[in-house]
Amino acid sequence: GENVEQHPSTLSVQEGDSAVIKCTYSDSASNYFPWYKQELGKGPQLIIDIRSNVGEKKDQRIAVTLNKTAKHFSLHITETQPEDSAVYFCAASMLALAGNQFYFGTGTSLTVIP
Amino acid sequence: DTGVSQDPRHKITKRGQNVTFRCDPISEHNRLYWYRQTLGQGPEFLTYFQNEAQLEKSRLLSDRFSAERPKGSFSTLEIQRTEQGDSAMYLCASSPHGGLSAQETQYFGPGTRLLVL
Repeated sequence: GENVEQHPSTLSVQEGDSAVIKCTYSDSASNYFPWYKQELGKGPQLIIDIRSNVGEKKDQRIAVTLNKTAKHFSLHITETQPEDSAVYFCAASMLALAGNQFYFGTGTSLTVIP
Repeated sequence: DTGVSQDPRHKITKRGQNVTFRCDPISEHNRLYWYRQTLGQGPEFLTYFQNEAQLEKSRLLSDRFSAERPKGSFSTLEIQRTEQGDSAMYLCASSPHGGLSAQETQYFGPGTRLLVL
């Protein structure tokens, strides 16, 4: 099955700086890569996703890049704010008619220092 | 609120007891997923339904676990003879279904946190 690795496990940045979280995946058949933000005591919330036919996607302060050849993808958060503090998970999936379970990374705890 | 809802949010039980959790997906989402999340880890897939049919089960889903979605709407996850190792957050997610070209994003509920004493 798919194996997703995520780094770093913890990340602290000063407010206003950028944060980058990286993930690698093992199965070249994976073609959908969502990123989730999870706050304490809550379920994961989708923040951005990317499909394998796109190399980069941006939504305001958040961007995701995908390198299919190297099998890695990254989350970039610019102009970080204290409310960005949370645990971020990457995931990989193979979209298919039969369903698509998500394989998650182990998470990155991001702390934005005011 | 039209998101995924789960009940209860928290459950404390003694080892050996049975517990049942409920998930109500987003209206008209015909795919429903169950995941388990332990402390410091990402969610791990347990099982998923398309309408009322259970189409895939993880090897993590031992024979003490059973899930149902009888009418293709809400789902229940039951754990029989709970063990301390079952302590985790149980997450439910739903997604629309429309084929390969359709959005397959999974929207998660708030989870049910289970503690087995």
